[in-house]
Amino acid sequence: NFMLTQPHSVSESPGKTVTISCTRSSGSIASNYVQWYQQRPGSSPTTVIYEDNQRPSGVPDRFSGSIDSSSNSASLTISGLKTEDEADYYCQSYDSSILWVFGGGTKLTVL
Amino acid sequence: EVQLVESGGGLVKPGGSLRLSCAASGFTFSSYSMNWVRQAPGKGLEWVSSISSSSSYIYYADSVKGRFTISRDNAKNSLYLQMNSLRAEDTAVYYCARDSGGDPAYWGQGTLVTVSS
Repeated sequence: NFMLTQPHSVSESPGKTVTISCTRSSGSIASNYVQWYQQRPGSSPTTVIYEDNQRPSGVPDRFSGSIDSSSNSASLTISGLKTEDEADYYCQSYDSSILWVFGGGTKLTVL
Repeated sequence: EVQLVESGGGLVKPGGSLRLSCAASGFTFSSYSMNWVRQAPGKGLEWVSSISSSSSYIYYADSVKGRFTISRDNAKNSLYLQMNSLRAEDTAVYYCARDSGGDPAYWGQGTLVTVSS
């Protein structure tokens, strides 16, 4: 078993770039795919990045995902921030092949 | 278009039972692992249970093991969660979610379960 740790909150100004980290406590971050979900207040989560760095159709290319084995972490980077990006973001990976593990979530404020 | 529609939530007394259902459409249901995820009011996402495409592999969070049972009917494109011995701490919005498997994961709109006397 492992945990995924995210910062509780981040904030940045419109037009800037923000990176949200997701650190795996044990085992290699590269061992299992990482997904990133966006959840706006009152809505269900939606996928913004899947399989480490794949972007679903309809998600702007301002969203990108990466994996860093040296820090054993995944990152979600959002460039050209817009007020509509303000939301909670969750990383998710796998244990025992299909068992989901979530990070605690990061509240992004665009101010 | 992928659609996941949950139903079966509601108000139940502690110790009671509920059965949640998730109707899937817009994709080959039998090809994907499926999950139940819950979110207590004001809290983060909590994984509850996963089931593989053919039901060969099933996993539960420790918090629900022995009380909840996940199942699926591939002929009916449906996912289920039988919840017994419900507790106040099970109060949450329950989401049905399709695994990625080469495509993005998809989530339903959720169904609210409230456990209260």
